[in-house]
Amino acid sequence: DIQMTQSPSSLSASVGDRVTITCRASQSISNYLNWYQQKPGKAPKLLIYAASSLQSGVPSRFSGSGSGTDFTLTISSLQPEDFASYYCQQSYRTPPFTFGPGTKVDIK
Amino acid sequence: EVQLVESGGGLIQPGGSLRLSCAASGFTVSSNYMSWVRQAPGKGLEWVSVIYSGGSTYYADSVKGRFTISRDNSWNTLYLQMNSLRAEDTAVYYCARDRRSNYYDTSHGMDVWGQGTTVSVSS
Repeated sequence: DIQMTQSPSSLSASVGDRVTITCRASQSISNYLNWYQQKPGKAPKLLIYAASSLQSGVPSRFSGSGSGTDFTLTISSLQPEDFASYYCQQSYRTPPFTFGPGTKVDIK
Repeated sequence: EVQLVESGGGLIQPGGSLRLSCAASGFTVSSNYMSWVRQAPGKGLEWVSVIYSGGSTYYADSVKGRFTISRDNSWNTLYLQMNSLRAEDTAVYYCARDRRSNYYDTSHGMDVWGQGTTVSVSS
């Protein structure tokens, strides 16, 4: 099975900061990497699919990049509503479609 | 409106069984890959199971042999039958629609989620 790691596990940032979260797969997954945002008590929300494609309705300050084993989620200018947890997930070939352990972004 | 509504969660003793339901509206569950994802208290997301549009099913090792995913096309509903429940199955269970409708789709990701239903396994 493919294992996913994320770094950092948590970070503190201020409104307006540029934030970068990394995700690494234990083997090449091409570009089959998705990013989700989750706020406390709420269901996850798809932000990015296929490593760099922005889901409809998601603000353009969110962007994704990478291929193979190393991926990045970037928030260009952090907004108050962006304080949340972020998860990567691989959807390469056959299941299990594992999630990363998550990154919690909170207010500095 | 495209929507998923889960039901069926509750408090159950270890070794017991529970069936979760996920009623879909605004789309047809048999047209997309459909998944169950769970989240234990204070923990991250864990992928549990998927049923493909063609009917193939897959499970996480942690639930294989105990959980069964299925769907009822006439009711447009996804199910998760959970048997031999353990304390470590305690979690919020979400159903989710995958963007994919077949293996060759390159648009992945789960774009529609239910609100979640809570399963607590305890004596």
